[in-house]
Amino acid sequence: QSVLTQPPSVSGAPGQKVSISCIGTSSSIGAGFDVHWYQQLPGTAPKLLIYANSRRPSGVPDRFSASNSGTSASLAITGLQAEDEAFYYCQSFDSPQSRWVFGGGTRLTVL
Amino acid sequence: QLQLQESGPGLVKPSETLSLTCTVSGGSMSSDDNYWGWIRQPPGKGLEWIGIISSSGRSYYNPSLRSRITISVDTSKNQFSLRETSVTAEDTAVYYCVRQDGLCRGVGCYSVWFDLWGQGTQVTVSS
Repeated sequence: QSVLTQPPSVSGAPGQKVSISCIGTSSSIGAGFDVHWYQQLPGTAPKLLIYANSRRPSGVPDRFSASNSGTSASLAITGLQAEDEAFYYCQSFDSPQSRWVFGGGTRLTVL
Repeated sequence: QLQLQESGPGLVKPSETLSLTCTVSGGSMSSDDNYWGWIRQPPGKGLEWIGIISSSGRSYYNPSLRSRITISVDTSKNQFSLRETSVTAEDTAVYYCVRQDGLCRGVGCYSVWFDLWGQGTQVTVSS
């Protein structure tokens, strides 16, 4: 069982809204450890998209937002654009193993 | 603007040692209180945190890799390095060097993220 579980894929048409879930455990997200999100465009390194649950780094459009609830987190993308097609990863901390962990990643396809 | 760049051999033989270096440019890595580290991504798979080190040399490693990993830092050269012993095909991956930032420091900190990434370097373990 992964510490952070994401759906393998999601899709949406341009202009629509999609959400990507990140299901954690009572020893990760549920224990109060913040969730961060990364976007990995094809052939590139991951880029920080959301940090500290819901904060956006400078330059990230406000079409990207995130929230937490209990042992899970969610990334929302509104006004979907073709350039949003990428892999998205959530990240938090696994306290029993004392390590930072990532979700398995979700591939976003813009139809 | 701070940038990170990985360097090292792209091919390593099984049972040998993988060595990578990350060079920090555009600023001094010892000018702030950040940690620096390594993350890898096997082909077609997700991200795995390897370990981190502070500019003062305090290090933390992924427990699953701890017995084979050493991360060191040389602030005079603005570099930090990864050494991974006894590699197997399972260590084949793109290796990224990263800067870690957060609302606190160290293992167990409730809010830590990776805000700067190198472009990544492909390492293949094969005879």
